[in-house]
Amino acid sequence: DTEVTQTPKHLVMGMTNKKSLKCEQHMGHRAMYWYKQKAKKPPELMFVYSYEKLSINESVPSRFSPECPNSSLLNLHLHALQPEDSALYLCASSQVGQGDFGGANVLTFGAGSRLTVL
Amino acid sequence: AQKITQTQPGMFVQEKEAVTLDCTYDTSDQSYGLFWYKQPSSGEMIFLIYQGSYDEQNATEGRYSLNFQKARKSANLVISASQLGDSAMYFCALRNYGQNFVFGPGTRLSVLP
Repeated sequence: DTEVTQTPKHLVMGMTNKKSLKCEQHMGHRAMYWYKQKAKKPPELMFVYSYEKLSINESVPSRFSPECPNSSLLNLHLHALQPEDSALYLCASSQVGQGDFGGANVLTFGAGSRLTVL
Repeated sequence: AQKITQTQPGMFVQEKEAVTLDCTYDTSDQSYGLFWYKQPSSGEMIFLIYQGSYDEQNATEGRYSLNFQKARKSANLVISASQLGDSAMYFCALRNYGQNFVFGPGTRLSVLP
């Protein structure tokens, strides 16, 4: 079983819907991440939550909004998405944050949430 | 700036044989880490192996080893005794100190029976 849990695994939504992707980690990691991955492409970083501070990739549109209720949860709220937002959304966590270094920076990924926007 | 290059979009290997997946990187930093991830068709990214820029020994993890040539800025992944379950996308990634991960474009490996 993966130690980073993402729900739902699949989501189909219309462009006017509001939905959320949820991510939970049970490893006591200090940093959590959301990545977007299009088919046959590498993951692209969207958000980082590290040491209670949220960092945003400036290219991410405002229709995506992260929420971190506690250090184990990082949700992604979706509103008024476009068909081009259809992708695999991967959540990850790491033992340490951006300011630290070493093998402890390994990203542990969840199984992903596959989003389709109609 | 950080950059990862994986020049092999696709690779084929016979079951039980060894295969090398190429990765070259570009960074001006002295402190960095190199990572390899496997992504099966199910979508989950699975960590395979890590090499730090100051590590003198090549990293090994079971059937995976990393051929680290710092002067050439290459970090090739070697998979020994390939298995059918090794068929997947493989991503090389670089992380400079204090920076985010940068992933390469990936190599799709197909293991033939």
